[in-house]
Amino acid sequence: NAGVTQTPKFRILKIGQSMTLQCTQDMNHNYMYWYRQDPGMGLKLIYYSVGAGITDKGEVPNGYNVSRSTTEDFPLRLELAAPSQTSVYFCASSRGPYNSPLHFGNGTRLTVT
Amino acid sequence: GQQLNQSPQSMFIQEGEDVSMNCTSSSIFNTWLWYKQEPGEGPVLLIALYKAGELTSNGRLTAQFGITRKDSFLNISASIPSDVGIYFCAGMEYGNKLVFGAGTILRVKS
Repeated sequence: NAGVTQTPKFRILKIGQSMTLQCTQDMNHNYMYWYRQDPGMGLKLIYYSVGAGITDKGEVPNGYNVSRSTTEDFPLRLELAAPSQTSVYFCASSRGPYNSPLHFGNGTRLTVT
Repeated sequence: GQQLNQSPQSMFIQEGEDVSMNCTSSSIFNTWLWYKQEPGEGPVLLIALYKAGELTSNGRLTAQFGITRKDSFLNISASIPSDVGIYFCAGMEYGNKLVFGAGTILRVKS
């Protein structure tokens, strides 16, 4: 009963490096999301997808890219890491399209130094 | 983007006490959700509210969807040590996207 799985759990990057945060879900959900969580703040939406091949920007998309080639996977790409991207990243999925609660993974803690 | 005002920011209470927290918004939402987050984990859904005025319970937790659709509250009765965590309210926007409050940190003294 895996649900939403994120890898890695922790990562330290140097400024300017790139990396991909992996997210996969086994619930056959159409909708997937990436949020970031900064201390003392709620989660903010980076990107989301309503199905394979379809992605759209959320509230804070700058510095990130996503792709959705399959229903199960929704990787988040950081091309040129900056200190402002130090955060905890959460992937989530839902059945969609209306009033379907989101189910979250356990997060990836990223530090950019 | 939209913002939710969640209060209080933190609470430090005695075991056995009741807890109340709330969330307000300048915009209308059609769905309100309450999540709990424990250290090192992602948010876990506690209660979902789908209709204005709705009052829903989940064990010792009770949540209400405000009549104006701009607010919601969560009550926890007879708190226990495992209630410790961060509680988030979230309003659901068009397109099944969530807007989160900043969270209420709950600490319980046993």
